[in-house]
Amino acid sequence: QSVLTQPPSASGPPGQRVIISCSGSSSNIGRKTVNWYRQLPGTAPKLLIYSNNQRPSGVPDRFSGSKSGTSASLAISELQSEDEADYYCSAWDDSLNGPVFGGGTRVTVL
Amino acid sequence: QVQLVESGGGVVQPGTSLRLSCAASGFTFSGYAISWVRQAPGKGLEWVALISYDGTKKYYADSVTGRFSISRDNSKNTLYLQMSLLTTEDTAVYYCARDGYSYGHRGDMDVWGQGTTVTVSS
Repeated sequence: QSVLTQPPSASGPPGQRVIISCSGSSSNIGRKTVNWYRQLPGTAPKLLIYSNNQRPSGVPDRFSGSKSGTSASLAISELQSEDEADYYCSAWDDSLNGPVFGGGTRVTVL
Repeated sequence: QVQLVESGGGVVQPGTSLRLSCAASGFTFSGYAISWVRQAPGKGLEWVALISYDGTKKYYADSVTGRFSISRDNSKNTLYLQMSLLTTEDTAVYYCARDGYSYGHRGDMDVWGQGTTVTVSS
């Protein structure tokens, strides 16, 4: 049981927009910034969004993050076949004194 | 280039110990907190431990507290994870990951190693 809650799957046809939600609590998302990671099969995770809505260098602007209260979301615009991957949200948790992750959302391009 | 390389994984029996290493290169290792994150087969990511840039602060997940110990040698640009009393639940790929905030920590991990596999089995 993950501390942060994500839907297990999301999908859309090429070119469409997909939104992944992430729900937490006052000890994590409610008071800390949210990060998003993408993990392609058989590879290490990669930071996609940090500090709620900031993109590291090299991440295309098709990826955007937002946060409101104790929830956050990741939007993927102009969906492409290479976006098929697992996506994880994460935030520091003040009660647990460490980062916590969501269970992951597998994105499928139809 | 900025890189983290894990080593030390293997197949061990329940109740035994193992030490993982993570060698850093391409950045000022002593300026960044580093975490260990693991992923059991077919499962999601689980944070294991974090050590501050200077080694003075250490944080652990409840699942490993008292059994795992994180440490670093800034003179060797190397991070360690000493694991003891291993159980089958510890079977996973173990990643080391750099915190994106220099001289502090905020939990976003911007550089990841390729992972090392630990299998606990009798």
